[in-house]
Amino acid sequence: NAGVTQTPKFRVLKTGQSMTLLCAQDMNHEYMYWYRQDPGMGLRLIHYSVGEGTTAKGEVPDGYNVSRLKKQNFLLGLESAAPSQTSVYFCASSYSSVGMLGGPYGYTFGSGTRLTVV
Amino acid sequence: AQSVSQHNHHVILSEAASLELGCNYSYGGTVNLFWYVQYPGQHLQLLLKYFSGDPLVKGIKGFEAEFIKSKFSFNLRKPSVQWSDTAEYFCAVTPRYSSASKIIFGSGTRLSIRP
Repeated sequence: NAGVTQTPKFRVLKTGQSMTLLCAQDMNHEYMYWYRQDPGMGLRLIHYSVGEGTTAKGEVPDGYNVSRLKKQNFLLGLESAAPSQTSVYFCASSYSSVGMLGGPYGYTFGSGTRLTVV
Repeated sequence: AQSVSQHNHHVILSEAASLELGCNYSYGGTVNLFWYVQYPGQHLQLLLKYFSGDPLVKGIKGFEAEFIKSKFSFNLRKPSVQWSDTAEYFCAVTPRYSSASKIIFGSGTRLSIRP
């Protein structure tokens, strides 16, 4: 039972380099999310998707892009990495809107990607 | 926009002590509420949730939370903590009845339990 899988688990980038984080879920979930976690700031939403081919901005979208070409995958891209993007990145998915009464049991989270930009 | 406040950043307790972690949210409408736990080096896991009904919600591992609508609060409690409860705890909220809602998290409370 894989659930939500994130790759890679660790990465060190130099300032200005680009990279893509992959999130894959095998639960047929419609909704997917990318969060970053920083000490003392909790989790902040970067981008999210409510279905294949759709994306939307979250709380802190600047410097990131996303794509949802397949229902099971949600990619997070950094075009030109900056030290301020050093963080732990979590992907999450849910069957439907977490706001609905008949909705999911919150999110299912991936195990995270620890990214350091030097 | 909705927000979540967790006023205790770091709580240190001895084993068998009682626990209460505060959580207040800001939102004018109806909400769904969650508590997540993150054990050291792991991802977040759902501890308990409130969608509707009895405002006293019981979760896993002996945790419970009470929703007090008039106070916009959803405090987490446990009568007797164990060393294995050492973790970071996140309160979270999402507007109910929204077709495109996402969960907004508080900044977290780190719980350290002395053996």
